[in-house]
Amino acid sequence: NAGVTQTPKFQVLKTGQSMTLQCAQDMNHEYMSWYRQDPGMGLRLIHYSVGAGITDQGEVPNGYNVSRSTTEDFPLRLLSAAPSQTSVYFCASSTAERTDTQYFGPGTRLTVL
Amino acid sequence: GENVEQHPSTLSVQEGDSAVIKCTYSDSASNYFPWYKQELGKRPQLIIDIRSNVGEKKDQRIAVTLNKTAKHFSLHITETQPEDSAVYFCAASIYTGFQKLVFGTGTRLLVSP
Repeated sequence: NAGVTQTPKFQVLKTGQSMTLQCAQDMNHEYMSWYRQDPGMGLRLIHYSVGAGITDQGEVPNGYNVSRSTTEDFPLRLLSAAPSQTSVYFCASSTAERTDTQYFGPGTRLTVL
Repeated sequence: GENVEQHPSTLSVQEGDSAVIKCTYSDSASNYFPWYKQELGKRPQLIIDIRSNVGEKKDQRIAVTLNKTAKHFSLHITETQPEDSAVYFCAASIYTGFQKLVFGTGTRLLVSP
């Protein structure tokens, strides 16, 4: 049982490039979410999903797209990376019964030049 | 929307002392208040949480108190140890089909031997 996994661990992009951050969980959790963490700002919710085919925006959704085609995977897409998207990205999952107990992945450190 | 303020931003104590971190929230409808510990380069991990129908909760050396009238909650760590050194985040959330967490900006706790 690997829990929540994220790839890659580190990524450097140039402004305007696109990429997808991968997130997978093997706990059969219905709920998944993406956060970004910036120095001095805590974690902020980007997008979340309450089940396959259902996604919604969080606090800071601009510049990011998500989709949820399976229960296990919840990728985060940056269509045109900007320096303001330099951050550490965490994926999290939780059960429908206890959406408050969120299990975080190890994170992806993204730098946009 | 919800806003969470956290103080202090840094806290230095001697081993064996107590440490207190305080948070205030703005939305009186918030009903769930978790605390996360994040070690350098690692993912946030839930250490304790409290719901709005409870005033205090304790787990060994860690306790959390909630004052709904004043809209503030606190983390108390007793008999601190060097391994308690980390960044601690408070959060508040309202359940609207999904528990959207709004995080504080974090407190860096340093416990000196």
